[in-house]
Amino acid sequence: GAGVSQSPRYKVTKRGQDVALRCDPISGHVSLYWYRQALGQGPEFLTYFNYEAQQDKSGLPNDRFSAERPEGSISTLTIQRTEQRDSAMYRCASSLGVVYNEQFFGPGTRLTVL
Amino acid sequence: GENVEQHPSTLSVQEGDSAVIKCTYSDSASNYFPWYKQELGKRPQLIIDIRSNVGEKKDQRIAVTLNKTAKHFSLHITETQPEDSAVYFCAASRAEGGKLIFGQGTELSVKP
Repeated sequence: GAGVSQSPRYKVTKRGQDVALRCDPISGHVSLYWYRQALGQGPEFLTYFNYEAQQDKSGLPNDRFSAERPEGSISTLTIQRTEQRDSAMYRCASSLGVVYNEQFFGPGTRLTVL
Repeated sequence: GENVEQHPSTLSVQEGDSAVIKCTYSDSASNYFPWYKQELGKRPQLIIDIRSNVGEKKDQRIAVTLNKTAKHFSLHITETQPEDSAVYFCAASRAEGGKLIFGQGTELSVKP
């Protein structure tokens, strides 16, 4: 079946603009995670959802970052007033259940803030 | 805070040799430990995982061991092949917490 998908795959924006990154999890997956991955580093946790409920947002760097998953499926990560330091690969992952379940990653959105 | 340390950062072996990557974690409540392989420009792919109720798990040429007392776990790849060349990440999580805490990665190079 289809894996996790993300759009856009590449996003170039100017400093100060808002961006919205979309994640489409594997159908039926309950949990959805957002990570940020710098070049040569491991993914860094941002936030996650079980169904539509945001369970943990402790990894969001500041209040310019927010995420939602209103119908328990597709999720959007929004970054307001982007800064150059926000440039990174943003990855989404999903898992079938809440406990002990493998996380499958999407292809990522490469964000570049000029 | 929660932390996962991974060593070595780079590893070069000859084809057919074994490779071992080690990780230590700080959160004693961690009980799920996956390993991901990431090829250049690709997404991380889960290759094996282990849960806290077992000490070792094997899948063909790949094995993972876990020592909960010492809070460390290791990935063992035997009979390495050039296609094993990639960056490998270990991670740890609490079953009920969901989020994965990743190590810094190991760049494995298998020379033919």
